[in-house]
Amino acid sequence: IAGITQAPTSQILAAGRRMTLRCTQDMRHNAMYWYRQDLGLGLRLIHYSNTAGTTGKGEVPDGYSVSRANTDDFPLTLASAVPSQTSVYFCASRRGYLQGAHKPYEQYFGPGTRLTVT
Amino acid sequence: AQKVTQAQTEISVVEKEDVTLDCVYETRDTTYYLFWYKQPPSGELVFLIRRNSFDEQNEISGRYSWNFQKSTSSFNFTITASQVVDSAVYFCALSEAGQAGTALIFGKGTTLSVSS
Repeated sequence: IAGITQAPTSQILAAGRRMTLRCTQDMRHNAMYWYRQDLGLGLRLIHYSNTAGTTGKGEVPDGYSVSRANTDDFPLTLASAVPSQTSVYFCASRRGYLQGAHKPYEQYFGPGTRLTVT
Repeated sequence: AQKVTQAQTEISVVEKEDVTLDCVYETRDTTYYLFWYKQPPSGELVFLIRRNSFDEQNEISGRYSWNFQKSTSSFNFTITASQVVDSAVYFCALSEAGQAGTALIFGKGTTLSVSS
């Protein structure tokens, strides 16, 4: 079934530990995104990737890093987790990013990862 | 600056009532896209609609309708004859040309509670 998978579903992590959230899509979408959702704040962009091999910073990138070695995978790493990174993390993908054009097809979201940093 | 404002934090209605969720956006781009997403209690994000800045036609899909008015920078969402299954958090979002890989800028969401 085509879509986006995220792992783990939920995680409790001790502060200071390193953690990688996994995201895989099988729709061959060019663009991928990581958002965090916090109560009362909506969803905020952490990092994005327009195509394999490129990444960029979003609104709240501090403390996070990403890589995009291939089209399908877009892992998000917390190098040293802090309690303020407790959140629900959503990965999303979108097809059709074109050079010099704007074709924002709807973003497809994964089911989310609930992360608690203690 | 780009911004999406959903002034209604929470709305409670009784089944069969009509309800309108407000969305006001700010952008300097002439080309942009507006979206509504639904997040039911199960937590997933469900795409509802995309509207581009060139098309101000209102849209109706079953009990859902959307009113896009560029003059007031609003993109409001109306549910007619609400049902308990409509209970969810609804997000309005904006996507601009050239902004961070066309990522979405979300409002803070409106929590809709529909009671029977």
